[in-house]
Amino acid sequence: AQSVTQLGSHVSVSEGALVLLRCNYSSSVPPYLFWYVQYPNQGLQLLLKYTSAATLVKGINGFEAEFKKSETSFHLTKPSAHMSDAAEYFCAVSPSGGSNYKLTFGKGTLLTVNP
Amino acid sequence: SQTIHQWPATLVQPVGSPLSLECTVEGTSNPNLYWYRQAAGRGLQLLFYSVGIGQISSEVPQNLSASRPQDRQFILSSKKLLLSDSGFYLCAWSVTGQGNTIYFGEGSWLTVV
Repeated sequence: AQSVTQLGSHVSVSEGALVLLRCNYSSSVPPYLFWYVQYPNQGLQLLLKYTSAATLVKGINGFEAEFKKSETSFHLTKPSAHMSDAAEYFCAVSPSGGSNYKLTFGKGTLLTVNP
Repeated sequence: SQTIHQWPATLVQPVGSPLSLECTVEGTSNPNLYWYRQAAGRGLQLLFYSVGIGQISSEVPQNLSASRPQDRQFILSSKKLLLSDSGFYLCAWSVTGQGNTIYFGEGSWLTVV
């Protein structure tokens, strides 16, 4: 069984400030981990994913996330927020291995960027 | 490259009317296909998934059904809509063995009135 907890349903930052969105997971087997972004009235777009290679994963739009097994975390960061980063962000987990194909999503974190 | 098309983009339907949302994937074969629903403040709920033609798994009991008549076509249906069926519906696909990554369509807004 697996689950995802996103701490903070709403995060507000100033333009140019650090973005930190928190995600903790629970998985009985080694996980794959994902971050998706959703802009208003659109589908979800993959930002980055961890699939047991490097623990620091770089994604699109300057985002990165670090897999920390000891903390069961996969927090998303960006050094300097841009207005265009305002969106909802979802963390997701699945068991590693090719035969399992379902993701479990967190409830999402809405990021607001203030000018 | 692979693409996913989902339609209609928006739909307003009266209570008790039928529903059909369609989704097709191009550029890949034998994909895993999914229907998710997103309601405000409740994240994404997996409704159905399919690993092949005619193979449908339901995650939650509900007023909806899904069908996969062709390899890359996935249909979400209802015979009689309820108010609680309103929401944002997302079709998605993945390919087994490619890191379990799921790719989403643009979504369909359903409002039941």
